[in-house]
Amino acid sequence: QKEVEQNSGPLSVPEGAIASLNCTYSDRVSQSFFWYRQYSGKSPELIMSIYSNGDKEDGRFTAQLNKASQYVSLLIRDSQPSDSATYLCAVNSVNSGNTPLVFGKGTRLSVIA
Amino acid sequence: DVKVTQSSRYLVKRTGEKVFLECVQDMDHENMFWYRQDPGLGLRLIYFSYDVKMKEKGDIPEGYSVSREKKERFSLILESASTNQTSMYLCASSSAGPHLHTDTQYFGPGTRLTVL
Repeated sequence: QKEVEQNSGPLSVPEGAIASLNCTYSDRVSQSFFWYRQYSGKSPELIMSIYSNGDKEDGRFTAQLNKASQYVSLLIRDSQPSDSATYLCAVNSVNSGNTPLVFGKGTRLSVIA
Repeated sequence: DVKVTQSSRYLVKRTGEKVFLECVQDMDHENMFWYRQDPGLGLRLIYFSYDVKMKEKGDIPEGYSVSREKKERFSLILESASTNQTSMYLCASSSAGPHLHTDTQYFGPGTRLTVL
C-alpha cells in the first residue's frame, strides 16, 4: 500500500515567519511530487510540482525533494494570514496501478497576525 | 488556464434517489478523476478515466458508477444514494504526461452532496 504521510497540524506560525511543511512517502519509485493548497470549503489548487532532487523556488514558496530519504517539503517564506489553509502533498509513481496520485491527508497551517 | 467545472456546488438528495454529478473540462485533457473528501479521511479516489468510454476503479468504487461518452465530460452516478455518501465530491483532470499517470491534476470547485 503506497502511503503519503503528513503531520495533520495545526502548524501555527507568526506572520512574517517561515512555515515548513513536510511529507514522506513510501514508494521508492515515485517520480512526481505536488503541493496543493486547500482553503476551507474550497477545492485544492496546485502550488508547485517538483520532479528532481533539490530545491525549486517560486516566489515565496520553495519545494525541496530528497528521493534518497523519501521526503518532500514546502517552505513558505514571509508567511501571511492568507496562507492559512490545508496543504496537501501528492505523489505519483510510474506503474502505480489504480492510484495515479496518492494524496496525504494534509497539514493545516495557521498564520497568526 | 485550465478550467474544470462541476454541475452543482450544493446538492441535497433523499436516500434511494439516483444522483448524477457532472464534470466538464475545457483543456482537452485525456485523464479525468472523481474523488470524495471527508474530514479525517482525506481525498479518496472513486473512479478515473484515461480515455473516452474507458474507466478504472479507484480505492472506493462501491455504490458508484461513471460514464465518459465525450472527452470533456465525466459523470459520477450514485445508483441509490445513501446517507454515508454525504460528502464533498471533487472532479479533476490532467493531460497524459511523458509517463502515464504523472501529470498535474487540476480540480473543479467541488459539489457538496447531502443525502437525507
